[in-house]
Amino acid sequence: GAVVSQHPSWVICKSGTSVKIECRSLDFQATTMFWYRQFPKQSLMLMATSNEGSKATYEQGVEKDKFLINHASLTLSTLTVTSAHPEDSSFYICSASTSAGATYNEQFFGPGTRLTVL
Amino acid sequence: AQSVTQPDIHITVSEGASLELRCNYSYGATPYLFWYVQSPGQGLQLLLKYFSGDTLVQGIKGFEAEFKRSQSSFNLRKPSVHWSDAAEYFCALAGYSSASKIIFGSGTRLSIRP
Repeated sequence: GAVVSQHPSWVICKSGTSVKIECRSLDFQATTMFWYRQFPKQSLMLMATSNEGSKATYEQGVEKDKFLINHASLTLSTLTVTSAHPEDSSFYICSASTSAGATYNEQFFGPGTRLTVL
Repeated sequence: AQSVTQPDIHITVSEGASLELRCNYSYGATPYLFWYVQSPGQGLQLLLKYFSGDTLVQGIKGFEAEFKRSQSSFNLRKPSVHWSDAAEYFCALAGYSSASKIIFGSGTRLSIRP
């Protein structure tokens, strides 16, 4: 149980185009989803937190107009990188958690999406 | 401030040797603590977690970790490593709130010497 998928697993796009990455919880309802980015040989940095039906909360320094996050259902969140540039090339990982009454809502991680902007 | 420190960037051990990866944290109370493993180009896999209770936590793949409050540490151990253990290991913490953020350490890359 607690499987999170991401699509696509990798994407290459031209500079200036927009790219959408999907994150799905396959066997549970995710009330909260998190988006991280990871540069090569670095740790994961949280970009934003989204609750189903609400606007995402972005971390300091993350441009909300550039990284659009939608969490329209309890099983799907999307991250759209708008007007992508080479510096946006990174590994994007999502995670999902459910408010099942537990004190702490464990996050389950997706396999990641490798974005390369040419 | 909340933080996780992994002082070793890269460790190389021989196959069959024992392993200890260090992790120190800074938090106002006792946080939830995790160890994750990441193979190249892959997502994160949870090895083990500490929420409360027994300070020696058993995880998957033969890993264990010990929570030491006095040292603010949560070191990961394995008695005998296998070549397949070569990966990046991340220590992480989260607070008590229901949608708490996870704060990751910088990671330790483990290489296995044949």
